[in-house]
This record gives sequence, C-alpha cells and structure tokens, in this order.
Amino acid sequence: DVKVTQSSRYLVKRTGEKVFLECVQDMDHENMFWYRQDPGLGLRLIYFSYDVKMKEKGDIPEGYSVSREKKERFSLILESASTNQTSMYLCASSAGGATDTQYFGPGTRLTVL
Amino acid sequence: RKEVEQDPGPFNVPEGATVAFNCTYSNSASQSFFWYRQDCRKEPKLLMSVYSSGNEDGRFTAQLNRASQYISLLIRDSKLSDSATYLCVVNVVTGGGNKLTFGTGTQLKVEL
Repeated sequence: DVKVTQSSRYLVKRTGEKVFLECVQDMDHENMFWYRQDPGLGLRLIYFSYDVKMKEKGDIPEGYSVSREKKERFSLILESASTNQTSMYLCASSAGGATDTQYFGPGTRLTVL
Repeated sequence: RKEVEQDPGPFNVPEGATVAFNCTYSNSASQSFFWYRQDCRKEPKLLMSVYSSGNEDGRFTAQLNRASQYISLLIRDSKLSDSATYLCVVNVVTGGGNKLTFGTGTQLKVEL
C-alpha cells in the first residue's frame, strides 16, 4: 500500500523562525512535490524534485527552499516564517510520467503567529 | 484567467440524484486530465483519469472535450458518502517532467 508521511499534522511557529517540514515516501518514487492549499486558491505548487539532489521551482517558490538528499525524503524549509505562510502544506509523490497518479501525505497545518 | 477553472459550489443534492461538474482549462498543451476527490480535512486522492473517448467507473463518468478545453464529471445515484470536494486536475509535461495544475474544487453535499 502506498504511503506518504509528513512529520507533523499541526505546527505553530513564530514569525522569523526557521521551519522544517519533512516528507517521506515508501514507494521508491522518483518525483516528489510540495504544495500549499488555501481557501479559494486551491493547491499551488511550491517546489518539486525529479531526482535526488535535484529541485525545480513551482508556481510560488518565494520564501521557501527544499532539500532532497535521499530518494525517499523531501524537505520544505521556511527560512524565516511569516504570517502569510500560514497554510495547509501537502507533500506528494509519483512514479513519473505524464499520466502518473500523485499520492499525497495527510498534510501539515502550519500556523505562523 | 486561471489555468483550471471550476464552479466552487456547493452543490446540495438529495440522495439518488445525478449531478454534473464542469471544468475548463486554458493551456492547450495539456496532455492528461484527472479528477481527484478530497474529503473534509483529508488529502486529495485520485478518483479517476479522464480519457478522450470518455470513461466510466461505476456511477462515475468522465468526459473530455479537447476542442473546447472542457472536462466533466457525472455522478449518478448519489450517495451520502459522495459528499466531498472534487478537484479537476490537468497535467502539462514540461522540460523537467510532469506538473499538475489543480482547480480550486467543487464542493458536493449529498443530503437525505
């Protein structure tokens, strides 16, 4: 059974803190993705990765960075958290190819105070 | 214009009703199309892919019209358990690989 896990379901941080969101998949998938989901805006792609140590900017990369040191793990980093980064963060993975299903983790609800 | 547009709803329908959702996309280079389902406070999950010839999975039928850049999802004999948000998703293959663009979703509430 496919599984994508995220390190926290809920997280509260203060403005200016450095925040790490971790995602792990056990399906040996090549591709991993980070999205944020906000009411009225839907899911927006922040960063994605097609291979270890490889990263590509998505639609809204500003204020974020990522790290993929191992195939199964993809980390999202908020260098200096701001209140407008309060959101639901969803990680996903896929095997690759134009028609591949993306499997999502349960999400991390981040609140920045 | 948004890349993928959906009517946000909510659609409130009685159990047993037939309901249809529509979606339009702006990028004519889009190659793959999907419907995902997202339950309240849960992650999105693939409901079905959408093929040019149209496809059916039980009570669910998906249609694609490439000329009009339009996708639809029909749910027959609605169940209470169908209550969820339905996300129209379009895949565009870029130089770096595939990228999914999600609509904001259409909320369905099936009532007794």
